[in-house]
Amino acid sequence: AQTVTQSQPEMSVQEAETVTLSCTYDTSESNYYLFWYKQPPSRQMILVIRQEAYKQQNATENRFSVNFQKAAKSFSLKISDSQLGDTAMYFCAFLNNNAGNMLTFGGGTRLMVKP
Amino acid sequence: DVKVTQSSRYLVKRTGEKVFLECVQDMDHENMFWYRQDPGLGLRLIYFSYDVKMKEKGDIPEGYSVSREKKERFSLILESASTNQTSMYLCASSSGRDRPSPLHFGNGTRLTVT
Repeated sequence: AQTVTQSQPEMSVQEAETVTLSCTYDTSESNYYLFWYKQPPSRQMILVIRQEAYKQQNATENRFSVNFQKAAKSFSLKISDSQLGDTAMYFCAFLNNNAGNMLTFGGGTRLMVKP
Repeated sequence: DVKVTQSSRYLVKRTGEKVFLECVQDMDHENMFWYRQDPGLGLRLIYFSYDVKMKEKGDIPEGYSVSREKKERFSLILESASTNQTSMYLCASSSGRDRPSPLHFGNGTRLTVT
């Protein structure tokens, strides 16, 4: 079974600054995907970014990028130029590509962007 | 855009009541999921379904059952609600044809059992 750990229950950042959210996972699988989801106060879960384990290049989506360290089983999310709309819960998630389409989620990090 | 609709945003029920949480998706997705969200625990999978009339237990199925009579609808049933089932419930769907397929979530139902 896979486990996903987010060690920072809460974080805050000043608007326009950069923040990094941590995520580690434990698996014996080699074929998997990793995701970051955002849940704003509206409660709608939104996919932020995803990373295929077989790709060495870190995924990037506009102001969001990841630092994927496969050997260390680490998958952190960097948010650059933080905006007030980035205030949300952020969840790291793991998908074992050999076991259907079920995601395993971390406990979440609550991010507050301050003006 | 995929739309996943959960019938209630807030629900208050009494201990021992039978509770139905309904979820409907409009994108002809094969896969549907029910998650429970609790502070510090993230989202935990209760049940999922890959096809009509098919269901599989997730990580925390105790106290719950599900029904999938039609492809677009996936219902979560609490046979006899208990206070420890007070939580946020999230429904999600995904395509069975794409791998991996992104999950599309509903807006959640916050259930309080008193």
